Amino acid sequence: GEDVEQSLFLSVREGDSSVINCTYTDSSSTYLYWYKQEPGAGLQLLTYIFSNMDMKQDQRLTVLLNKKDKHLSLRIADTQTGDSAIYFCAETPGTALIFGKGTTLSVSS
Amino acid sequence: EADIYQTPRYLVIGTGKKITLECSQTMGHDKMYWYQQDPGMELHLIHYSYGVNSTEKGDLSSESTVSRIRTEHFPLTLESARPSHTSQYLCASSESRYEQFFGPGTRLTVL
Repeated sequence: GEDVEQSLFLSVREGDSSVINCTYTDSSSTYLYWYKQEPGAGLQLLTYIFSNMDMKQDQRLTVLLNKKDKHLSLRIADTQTGDSAIYFCAETPGTALIFGKGTTLSVSS
Repeated sequence: EADIYQTPRYLVIGTGKKITLECSQTMGHDKMYWYQQDPGMELHLIHYSYGVNSTEKGDLSSESTVSRIRTEHFPLTLESARPSHTSQYLCASSESRYEQFFGPGTRLTVL
C-alpha cells in the first residue's frame, strides 16, 4: 500500500531556514500537501502542490517536488518560534489523505 | 477559519461503555472523514462519507461505526470502549480534493 515517510524531528534556531523532507510512493497522487498541527489542535493546511509542478512559493514557504524521486520538501524561510509544530506531508492517491508520521519542528531563540 | 466542531474535546471513560464522538460542520461540505491519530502521531483514515446516507470504512480497520443522516453531522460511535481505543480522533470535511478542514480533535482515554 501507500506509504509516506518523513524524518521525525528537526531543530533549528530562530531566523534560520527549515527544510522538512518527505518521500511518497504513489506516483498517481495528483496533489501533495503540507499540513501543520499545533499542540492540542487539529490539522491546518499550509500549502499544496499539483503533481505537474516543480516548485511553489507562498510567502515564507517554498515547496519543491521531485516526481522522479517521489520527493517533496517544505522550506520555511526565517523560521520563527511560532513555527514550532508538527508538519505532516500527505498525498491523495485515492479516497482520502495518506499522511506521513509527521516531523516535529522545534525552534529555539 | 474552518467551521468544524468536535465534542467532547477530552473524554476519559471506563471499559465497556458506549460512547459517541460528535462532529459537525457548517460549511455544507458533502465529504466528511474520521481519522485516528496514534500516540506516535501517524494519522489513519477509519471512516468517510461522500454524502447523506453514504458511509464507508477507511484504510485502518476500526470497531467504531458512523452515520450520516444530515449533511452537517457525522458522529462516530463505539459500542463498547476498550483501552485499545485510546487515541485522538480527528474529524475533517471537504468540498474538493484541494483541502480538508480539520476539527480540533477528541482525545479519548479508555481505562
